[in-house]
Amino acid sequence: GQQLNQSPQSMFIQEGEDVSMNCTSSSIFNTWLWYKQDPGEGPVLLIALYKAGELTSNGRLTAQFGITRKDSFLNISASIPSDVGIYFCAGLPSGTYKYIFGTGTRLKVLA
Amino acid sequence: DAGVTQSPTHLIKTRGQQVTLRCSPKSGHDTVSWYQQALGQGPQFIFQYYEEEERQRGNFPDRFSGHQFPNYSSELNVNALLLGDSALYLCASSTGLAVNEQFFGPGTRLTVL
Repeated sequence: GQQLNQSPQSMFIQEGEDVSMNCTSSSIFNTWLWYKQDPGEGPVLLIALYKAGELTSNGRLTAQFGITRKDSFLNISASIPSDVGIYFCAGLPSGTYKYIFGTGTRLKVLA
Repeated sequence: DAGVTQSPTHLIKTRGQQVTLRCSPKSGHDTVSWYQQALGQGPQFIFQYYEEEERQRGNFPDRFSGHQFPNYSSELNVNALLLGDSALYLCASSTGLAVNEQFFGPGTRLTVL
């Protein structure tokens, strides 16, 4: 099935470092969602974006809706061990109810 | 405020059997979407139910069917199970005519032997 490109695929970082990841598509999206998933559990919604250029924060997390509407970015500041997990983006194309998910970015934080 | 709930948590079936998974949406939500998540991949959209009808369908065969009840809860049925149907099945709920935030349940882990 169709999936969005997320990068990096995985990353190891030191506790306290900032993290950046992105999600790109060849199609235009109306909505971007960012999720975090722990092993064996369902994804947890972190941030929702609805307008091109929009910048939204949730605690140490900040996400942006790309101006071209074909990409989105997620930043985590001052990472902590509990940030470990897989981060997924999900985009909603115009005229559809079907969210398309990214391939995921696996984050590992070294204490 | 109860979140999205799913049952059962785990299920083991053999090839050719049929399975039914259940989902109760978050309080105040009226729309349910089902996703299949294979190991190491992102969720893949199966279909979405709104007002007790299938509103949109992903690229899944007719062996996958569903139902939504008047209380907005939903079932996912899979017939003639294949080994490749082994996955985490996720239910997500949302609200209103406009698609916006989707909240996921914990999932049902289906293993087909």
